[in-house]
Order: sequence, then structure tokens, then C-alpha cells
Amino acid sequence: GPKVLQIPSHQIIDMGQMVTLNCDPVSNHLYFYWYKQILGQQMEFLVNFYNGKVMEKSKLFKDQFSVERPDGSYFTLKIQPTALEDSAVYFCASSLDWGGANAEQFFGPGTRLTVL
Amino acid sequence: GDSVTQTEGQVALSEEDFLTIHCNYSASGYPALFWYVQYPGEGPQFLFRASRDKEKGSSRGFEATYDKGTTSFHLRKASVQESDSAVYYCALGDDGEGADRLTFGKGTQLIIQP
Repeated sequence: GPKVLQIPSHQIIDMGQMVTLNCDPVSNHLYFYWYKQILGQQMEFLVNFYNGKVMEKSKLFKDQFSVERPDGSYFTLKIQPTALEDSAVYFCASSLDWGGANAEQFFGPGTRLTVL
Repeated sequence: GDSVTQTEGQVALSEEDFLTIHCNYSASGYPALFWYVQYPGEGPQFLFRASRDKEKGSSRGFEATYDKGTTSFHLRKASVQESDSAVYYCALGDDGEGADRLTFGKGTQLIIQP
């Protein structure tokens, strides 16, 4: 089936540094999402993105977070600067449509971010 | 805010046993309900959804019925196989501002012993 890829699979950085998480969504999908899962807790919505714009974001999407998809390439999540509480697995997802039969979200395998 | 509760953190069964994983939700509107399955090293995979009261979703022998009265969407399978071992997530979808934001439960680890 359709695949979402995430690069890297694991990233270790020092607190205060910048990190960019990369997502290669399903090729014809138009809607993109980031979710965050802290170890032992449930996956939580961060942000969704369509047509070059953030449509909706949660309170977890701090000012230090930003997303973009320049020229149809990777959909990225940037954190600058990072904090200890940003340590988590970040899942990217994409969907063809929203709110209907084609709204199924396809998830990547996640990037495990460790902030030291 | 919206929330999803999965009662069981882990379920251990033998092959051919009947499976039930309980899911209850709390939402202000009329959400769509989903089940996702996650295998080790992979992201969650869509299993099925239901969008209105009494609608049954199903896939790969798994099924769940949207029950607005009891705010539940319990996952069931008549006869489990070892290959069903995975983490199962119940989720609700809020169309919000034009794209579904999914609210997930904590997940239930299903372990099937041969």
C-alpha cells in the first residue's frame, strides 16, 4: 500500500539546538499532519497542513515549532530551539482528502527524537 | 476537550480465542470513530472507520459498531491469529478547520500465544 517515509528514524541532539524532522508523504496526498507520542503516553495531534498553510494546531504546537513543504518536497517539522520535553516519537501522516472516504491518514514509522 | 479511553492496556489470548478491546469516547460533536493497528517498527495503519450511530466498520475479520448511546466503539474479532499481535488504537476524528485531527486512545497491546 501507499507508504509515508520519515527521515531520520532516530535523532539525538543537545537541548537548545535546532532539529528538522523530514517526512516524505504519499505522492498524490494533499493533507499533512504531525503527531507526537511521549513514551508510555498516547499519540497527540500537533498540526495539520494544506495548500501551503497550517489549518489547525494544538496547544502542543509551541512557538518554537514550524512546518513547511517547500516546492512539494519533504513536509518538515522544525523545532528551534529544542527543550528536554520535546523528546518523543514524532509521526507524520498524509491523506488525500479530509472528512470523507478518502480521509484515511497514512502514517510514517516515526522519528524518535532524544533531547539531552 | 475530546478524549478516547481504552480500558485494557494489554490483552493476552490464545489462537482462535474471541477478542474484545473496549473503547469509549467523549466528544462535544458527532465525531467519526476509527481503529488503527500498529506493528513493531511501523506507524499506525488504518483498520476501519464509522461515521454515524449504529454504523459497523470492519476489516480483516475485525469489526466495531458506533454506539452513540453508550459512546462506545468496541473492537471485536471472533477468532484471533498469532499474526494479529500488535498495538490497537481507537481514535476519533474532528473535522475541525478542514482536516481531521485525530484524538487517540493510549493503545492496547494484543499478545496472541500460539
